[in-house]
Amino acid sequence: EIVVTQSPATLSVSPGERATLSCRASQSVSNNFAWYQQKPGQAPRLLIYGASTRATGIPARFSGSGSETEFTLTISGLQSEDFAVYYCQQYDNWPPSWTFGQGTKVEAK
Amino acid sequence: QVQLQESGPGLVKPSETLSLTCTVSGSSVNRAYYWGWIRQAPGKGLEWIASRYPSGTAYYNPSLRSRVTISLDTSNNHVSLEVNSVTAADTAVYFCARVDVRLAGFPFENWGQGNLVIVSS
Repeated sequence: EIVVTQSPATLSVSPGERATLSCRASQSVSNNFAWYQQKPGQAPRLLIYGASTRATGIPARFSGSGSETEFTLTISGLQSEDFAVYYCQQYDNWPPSWTFGQGTKVEAK
Repeated sequence: QVQLQESGPGLVKPSETLSLTCTVSGSSVNRAYYWGWIRQAPGKGLEWIASRYPSGTAYYNPSLRSRVTISLDTSNNHVSLEVNSVTAADTAVYFCARVDVRLAGFPFENWGQGNLVIVSS
């Protein structure tokens, strides 16, 4: 079973600054990696899939990078609506399984 | 535009079976997508429970496999989940979600709003 470790648990950022979130998979997952944003009381929203492709309607300030075991989500020019919890997620081809990271809370500094 | 809506009991007694239904509109559960369930305990992170492909095998989180069943009802366009022998640890918001297999890495692209289930006597 692949384990996904997300860091940091909390990130304090001022509006306009850059936020960098990281995830590490316990073994290679190629580019089968996604990022989600979740605000209180809401369902998660897909931001990035395939490690680096923005989902439909996602602003360009969100970018994903990485492959194999190390992945990064960067939010450039953080806006007030970006304060939320972010989850990473890996997909294992066989048998099919999905594993989420523990989450990173991005809060106002 | 696909929409997912979970429904089910808000309260279940320990040792009983939890049954949830996800009503799908704007898409068919018989089409080439994975349909899945994810849950989130209060104040905690996301946990994948199960996924199923039309006319295919169901896949389960190993930690829950012995107690859960996911099924697709093509007549009513529903995705169902059953969790047996529930305990307080099963208290969570349960989300229904769709995986678009055309997207790299098979992400959960569409989500329902979630259904809170509390396990308590």
